[in-house]
Amino acid sequence: AQKVTQAQTEISVVEKEDVTLDCVYETRDTTYYLFWYKQPPSGELVFLIRRNSFDEQNEISGRYSWNFQKSTSSFNFTITASQVVDSAVYFCALKHNAGNMLTFGGGTRLMVKP
Amino acid sequence: DGGITQSPKYLFRKEGQNVTLSCEQNLNHDAMYWYRQDPGQGLRLIYYSQIVNDFQKGDIAEGYSVSREKKESFPLTVTSAQKNPTAFYLCASSAPGGAWNEQFFGPGTRLTVL
Repeated sequence: AQKVTQAQTEISVVEKEDVTLDCVYETRDTTYYLFWYKQPPSGELVFLIRRNSFDEQNEISGRYSWNFQKSTSSFNFTITASQVVDSAVYFCALKHNAGNMLTFGGGTRLMVKP
Repeated sequence: DGGITQSPKYLFRKEGQNVTLSCEQNLNHDAMYWYRQDPGQGLRLIYYSQIVNDFQKGDIAEGYSVSREKKESFPLTVTSAQKNPTAFYLCASSAPGGAWNEQFFGPGTRLTVL
């Protein structure tokens, strides 16, 4: 069985602070894919990044960076110099190679205060 | 431009009524999905369809039904058998090619039972 845990249900920071959102996953598959999505107040999920299980390179995209560590089954997401527009719910999700279904974590609500 | 549309944005239902949520996509995607999101929780899969005229139950299919007569459309009916239907419903689609492809999401329908 697959499982994704986002232990932080809510995080509040002040603008310009760095913040890391944790994601821990469980799977018995050797090939799998990890995703991060952003859900702004409007409700629509926006795709941010995907990673396959064989690619442990960290990735940086502007103020966003992702740290994938298979040894700890974690795929953490860091926002540098947070902005008010980053306020949203962020979901980590896992997909195994045999199908197209996503298993979502419970989400982390990030509030960035001015 | 391409995307996923869901209607209506808000829907109110009296107990005992069936209601149908619309989902249309013009991305030419083969696979489509329905998710349910409850407050403060992650997304749970209701039904999915990999191809026209075929669909499978997800984790919480009881009290719901779907059809997939056209590639672009995947309507979800919430029946009176669904005991607690008040939730936010999200439709998604993905391109063929395997688990690597991300899912694209619609703006959602918020259903309230009166």
